[in-house]
Amino acid sequence: SQQGEEDPQALSIQEGENATMNCSYKTSINNLQWYRQNSGRGLVHLILIRSNEREKHSGRLRVTLDTSKKSSSLLITASRAADTASYFCATDLPYSGGSNYKLTFGKGTLLTVNP
Amino acid sequence: NAGVMQNPRHLVRRRGQEARLRCSPMKGHSHVYWYRQLPEEGLKFMVYLQKENIIDESGMPKERFSAEFPKEGPSILRIQQVVRGDSAAYFCASSPGTAPVNTGELFFGEGSRLTVL
Repeated sequence: SQQGEEDPQALSIQEGENATMNCSYKTSINNLQWYRQNSGRGLVHLILIRSNEREKHSGRLRVTLDTSKKSSSLLITASRAADTASYFCATDLPYSGGSNYKLTFGKGTLLTVNP
Repeated sequence: NAGVMQNPRHLVRRRGQEARLRCSPMKGHSHVYWYRQLPEEGLKFMVYLQKENIIDESGMPKERFSAEFPKEGPSILRIQQVVRGDSAAYFCASSPGTAPVNTGELFFGEGSRLTVL
């Protein structure tokens, strides 16, 4: 079954540095999303990139998508202590006339930003 | 505009008891999804509901688990005769449409953390 897998599992950096997380998946997708989860909290949507897009920006976030390699990366620039959280990629199947609601999440990357 | 509301946030049950988790979607959203997150794991899809209808329950265990989204009131995820393996965080999400094609975004609640003793 298709699955997003984040890499690395854990990442520790200093405030101000950039953080890069990667996601790989197995089958064709409709779109790929990144979510953030603070410890003990719910998921917050960060950014969505469609299968026909290659790069997308939102504030300090930059997401790339390489469908030929079935991989995506999330770059957080100028990181802050408040960015400390788990980051998940989520994929869904190509739209087939039905609902594309069944997201498949990876296990996440735990990012720690040290002040 | 309140977000997705889940309660209880924490629930402790002994083996064999029943657990009921509630979810009120965001205002204006008529589609509800339940996901389960086991420790150190990503979220796994369980069930997708619209008002009074279960659309897709392919991710839900066949026994002991049930979900509903009545015409009035919150969506309920019910787990009967809980076992230790049911200990997890259960997240509800909502969206405004059948296939969130335009945004693709699901709006998640804070989760209900079930601990089975």
